[in-house]
Amino acid sequence: GENVEQHPSTLSVQEGDSAVIKCTYSDSASNYFPWYKQELGKRPQLIIDIRSNVGEKKDQRIAVTLNKTAKHFSLHITETQPEDSAVYFCAASIGSNYQLIWGAGTKLIIKP
Amino acid sequence: EPEVTQTPSHQVTQMGQEVILRCVPISNHLYFYWYRQILGQKVEFLVSFYNNEISEKSEIFDDQFSVERPDGSNFTLKIRSTKLEDSAMYFCASRPGPEGEKLFFGSGTQLSVL
Repeated sequence: GENVEQHPSTLSVQEGDSAVIKCTYSDSASNYFPWYKQELGKRPQLIIDIRSNVGEKKDQRIAVTLNKTAKHFSLHITETQPEDSAVYFCAASIGSNYQLIWGAGTKLIIKP
Repeated sequence: EPEVTQTPSHQVTQMGQEVILRCVPISNHLYFYWYRQILGQKVEFLVSFYNNEISEKSEIFDDQFSVERPDGSNFTLKIRSTKLEDSAMYFCASRPGPEGEKLFFGSGTQLSVL
C-alpha cells in the first residue's frame, strides 16, 4: 500500500525566513496531495493541495511543488510569521475515494 | 462556512465498554470518513463510507469497529469493546462528491479508555 515519508520532524526558522517541508510517497498511482496545518488540540485544516497533473501551485506565501518522477512533493512557506507555528502534515491519496495516507508531521517553530 | 460537527468533544470510558462517536457531516456531502490520531502521532485512516456502505477500510478497522448512517444526517463510529490502545482523537470528515477532493474535518472527539 501507499506510504508517505515526511521530513524534517521538527523545523525551526527565524521569523521572516522561508520554511520547506518535504514528503515522498511510494505509490506512483497517487494522484492528489494535500497539506494540512494542525494547531494544538484542533482539527487539521487544509492549507493547499495539488493534483498529479500539476507541477506547482501557489497561494500567497504558500506553495507546493510536485515531482512525479521522483515521487516527491514539498511545501514552501515564505516570509514566515509567528502564526505559522503549528504541525504540518502532508498526505497522498489514490483513486476516486480520496482516502488519505498521511505523513508523520513536521512541527514548525517560528522564532521571533 | 458549513462545518462538520462531532459529539461529544471528550469521551471517557472503561476498558471493555462500548462507545459511539457521533458526526454530522456537511449536508450535501456524499463521502464520509473516520480518521484517528494518537497523541503526538500521524493521522490514520480508519474507514470511508459512500452510498450507505463502507468503500474502504484500513487494517485498524477490525471487527470491533463499525460505522452507520442511521438517518439522513448522522454518521456514527461504534467501538464495541474498547481497549486502552483505542485512546486517541477521532476525526470525522466529509467531502462533497466525485470531483471534490477537499476533506472537511470535524473538531474531533478525544476518546480516553481507562
